[in-house]
Amino acid sequence: AQTVTQSQPEMSVQEAETVTLSCTYDTSENNYYLFWYKQPPSRQMILVIRQEAYKQQNATENRFSVNFQKAAKSFSLKISDSQLGDTAMYFCAFVGGFKTIFGAGTRLFVKA
Amino acid sequence: DTAVSQTPKYLVTQMGNDKSIKCEQNLGHDTMYWYKQDSKKFLKIMFSYNNKELIINETVPNRFSPKSPDKAHLNLHINSLELGDSAVYFCASSRESGGLGNEQFFGPGTRLTVL
Repeated sequence: AQTVTQSQPEMSVQEAETVTLSCTYDTSENNYYLFWYKQPPSRQMILVIRQEAYKQQNATENRFSVNFQKAAKSFSLKISDSQLGDTAMYFCAFVGGFKTIFGAGTRLFVKA
Repeated sequence: DTAVSQTPKYLVTQMGNDKSIKCEQNLGHDTMYWYKQDSKKFLKIMFSYNNKELIINETVPNRFSPKSPDKAHLNLHINSLELGDSAVYFCASSRESGGLGNEQFFGPGTRLTVL
């Protein structure tokens, strides 16, 4: 069975600094996708970044990038130049084998 | 223009009642989902529909019944509400489920409180 683990319940970072959120997963599927979603206090779920498992190149979206280590089943999110608006819950998600599984989330606080 | 909308946004009701939450998407997507987010923010998929047909039905009590009258709507009906049903329920949609990498677009959520 697929599982997604986010081992950091809470993190904080100073504005303008860099922070990395960790995510590990377990699956026997070969074809799958990984996502990071953000949920600010407004409750709206917003896609941050997506990674195809068959691509070795790490995905990047502006200040957000991932470190995808397929063999280690690791998918961490790096946020550069953190902004106050990045304060939110961040969820790692696995989609594969007709399963969609979210991690427990990491609450990120960006301090001024 | 709202992409995925849910009504109501807040729902407070008594134990034992029956209630429905409506979801509509105007994105032309083929697949819609219902998620439950508990008080610890844990998000779990409940159902997934593709072109009005159920394709994922996770282990949820049969008091929960999804209904998809057409591709753009997926409603959630809950019978005999219990205290443990209190949560935020999210509807989401994506393009065809065969495209695993498709982003899911979420609605604003419905906070259900059972007293």
